[in-house]
Amino acid sequence: DAKTTQPTSMDCAEGRAANLPCNHSTISGNEYVYWYRQIHSQGPQYIIHGLKNNETNEMASLIITEDRKSSTLILPHATLRDTAVYYCIVRVASYGQNFVFGPGTRLSVLP
Amino acid sequence: GAGVSQSPSNKVTEKGKDVELRCDPISGHTALYWYRQSLGQGLEFLIYFQGNSAPDKSGLPSDRFSAERTGGSVSTLTIQRTQQEDSAVYLCASSLDTYEQYFGPGTRLTVT
Repeated sequence: DAKTTQPTSMDCAEGRAANLPCNHSTISGNEYVYWYRQIHSQGPQYIIHGLKNNETNEMASLIITEDRKSSTLILPHATLRDTAVYYCIVRVASYGQNFVFGPGTRLSVLP
Repeated sequence: GAGVSQSPSNKVTEKGKDVELRCDPISGHTALYWYRQSLGQGLEFLIYFQGNSAPDKSGLPSDRFSAERTGGSVSTLTIQRTQQEDSAVYLCASSLDTYEQYFGPGTRLTVT
């Protein structure tokens, strides 16, 4: 079973920030929070991951609450090409640990 | 550099036939995973290869499924006597370390 809970769908206006929440209240101390996205008919694409500190890269920012029970993925300026299903996954960082993808959040960026 | 590639991109086969799906991981990546994704569903783990170690086959749904990885690089997933329920997108991912996995575009298998 996926250890995360995400809203089924969200809309965001083009050019605005998209904030995608994720609850992971049972996360263990050695589990990381990963975000992937899947654009229609493509393989999942890695976005970002973090343990407890906030992280930022060229694609997005990841904000993890102090108790680590929830996080938010932020796309600062959403474009139409960001329309995709976004998956929040918790996983131990070790070899052989496959990713368990839940249903994710379907983000629609609207013009 | 080149990402993970998979071939064919689409495969239509008749029930009962055998199929082979190929994955070329990113050069130098020691870990390779196979997943499948049925229509509208999440990813289902199938098998994992790490270096020269014995593969983790715990996700294979039946003995009709097998996979091999030659020379620590290219991997082939074989499905024997295909059934209609095998229809799905088969995804391959590779990883250099314990963190992110990089996915290929997938092979869409349709069993008629």
